[in-house]
Amino acid sequence: GEDVEQSLFLSVREGDSSVINCTYTDSSSTYLYWYKQEPGAGLQLLTYIFSNMDMKQDQRLTVLLNKKDKHLSLRIADTQTGDSAIYFCAESIPGNTGKLIFGQGTTLQVKP
Amino acid sequence: DTGVSQNPRHKITKRGQNVTFRCDPISEHNRLYWYRQTLGQGPEFLTYFQNEAQLEKSRLLSDRFSAERPKGSFSTLEIQRTEQGDSAMYLCASSTGPTGGQFFGPGTRLTVL
Repeated sequence: GEDVEQSLFLSVREGDSSVINCTYTDSSSTYLYWYKQEPGAGLQLLTYIFSNMDMKQDQRLTVLLNKKDKHLSLRIADTQTGDSAIYFCAESIPGNTGKLIFGQGTTLQVKP
Repeated sequence: DTGVSQNPRHKITKRGQNVTFRCDPISEHNRLYWYRQTLGQGPEFLTYFQNEAQLEKSRLLSDRFSAERPKGSFSTLEIQRTEQGDSAMYLCASSTGPTGGQFFGPGTRLTVL
C-alpha cells in the first residue's frame, strides 16, 4: 500500500542543522519530494530526488535517500528562524498521473 | 505573478449549500491536480486532469463533488449539499509532467457551519 510517515515535531536552535526524516512504503516510487508550508499558505516545492540517486544537494538543503530502507531525509544547514514551517515529504506513485502521496508533515520550530 | 492562483481564498457556507472553487494553473502546465488538506494532515489527492480530460478520481471524491476543466486551462471544483466534514483547505497544483514536481496555489479554505 501507499503510506508515508514523518515525525511530527522538531525543535532546533538558530544556526544548528535540522534533519527531518521520512519513511515510505511503495518501493516502486520514482520521485520523492520535499515541500514547505508556512501558516495559511500553500505548499512550496523545495527539492526532489529521483529514486536512483542517493543524495542531492541544493544550497543549504541536502536530501539523502536510502532506497533499501525506504528512508528519506532532509537536512537544512545553518537553520534560520525563517525556516520555521511544516515540512512535507511526498512520493510520486508510478504511472502516468504523477499524483503525490504526502506524509502528515513535520513542524520545524527554530529558536533564536 | 505567474504562479497558480485560487479563488476564493476563504469560503464560509451553511450546511446543505453548494460551493464552487476556481483554480488557474501556470499557463504552460497541462496537468492539474486537486488535493484536500485537513488540520494537522498532509494533502490528500482528489482528482487529476491532463488538459481537459479528467483521468483519475480518488475514492474521497464522493458523488457530491464534481470537477471540470472545460478548455484545458482553469478548473472548477464544486461541492453540492455541503457537510461539516467537507471543511478543509482545498489545494490546486499544476505541472508539465509526472515527475518534475507540482506547483501549488495558496488554497481555498472552506468552513461549513
